[in-house]
Amino acid sequence: NAGVTQTPKFRVLKTGQSMTLLCAQDMNHEYMYWYRQDPGMGLRLIHYSVGEGTTAKGEVPDGYNVSRLKKQNFLLGLESAAPSQTSVYFCASSSRTGGQYFGPGTRLTVT
Amino acid sequence: AQSVTQLDSHVSVSEGTPVLLRCNYSSSYSPSLFWYVQHPNKGLQLLLKYTSAATLVKGINGFEAEFKKSETSFHLTKPSAHMSDAAEYFCVVNYRVSGGYNKLIFGAGTRLAVHP
Repeated sequence: NAGVTQTPKFRVLKTGQSMTLLCAQDMNHEYMYWYRQDPGMGLRLIHYSVGEGTTAKGEVPDGYNVSRLKKQNFLLGLESAAPSQTSVYFCASSSRTGGQYFGPGTRLTVT
Repeated sequence: AQSVTQLDSHVSVSEGTPVLLRCNYSSSYSPSLFWYVQHPNKGLQLLLKYTSAATLVKGINGFEAEFKKSETSFHLTKPSAHMSDAAEYFCVVNYRVSGGYNKLIFGAGTRLAVHP
């Protein structure tokens, strides 16, 4: 039981490049989330999903897209990276009523 | 509106002494409350959660928290600090929004330092 895993752990992008972050969970959770964590700002919700095939916007969705084609996976895409997207990205999953379980994070730098 | 206030941005204790991390919340109805811990360059780990059962909640690593509705508080305590407890701690309110998902409101965090 690995919980929530994220790949990659680190990435450096140039402005304008694209990439996809992968999140996987093996707890059969319905809900999945993507957050970014920036110094002094805590965690902010980017997008979330309440089930396979569904996604919705969180607090800071601009510049990101997501997909949930399989229940266990939640992908976060950056189509054209900007320096403002330099951050640590966390994926989380939860049941309908339980606490959220977080992955180890992806540290992204955009130059 | 829901909000969370962690009253101390930094707390410093000596190893073996008690830990108290303070958290106050604001919620228009009975919330679910959590404490998460984040060690440097690591993800967030769920320490404990309160979901309207017992008001004294026991978590992992000897931590516990007491839900006090009259004081709108959910303070985190541990009787005896260990060096490995040094980390950042987040108090979190969880509630369900109209979209049907569980929205988390994070406090700003309290950085705990433990000295030998």
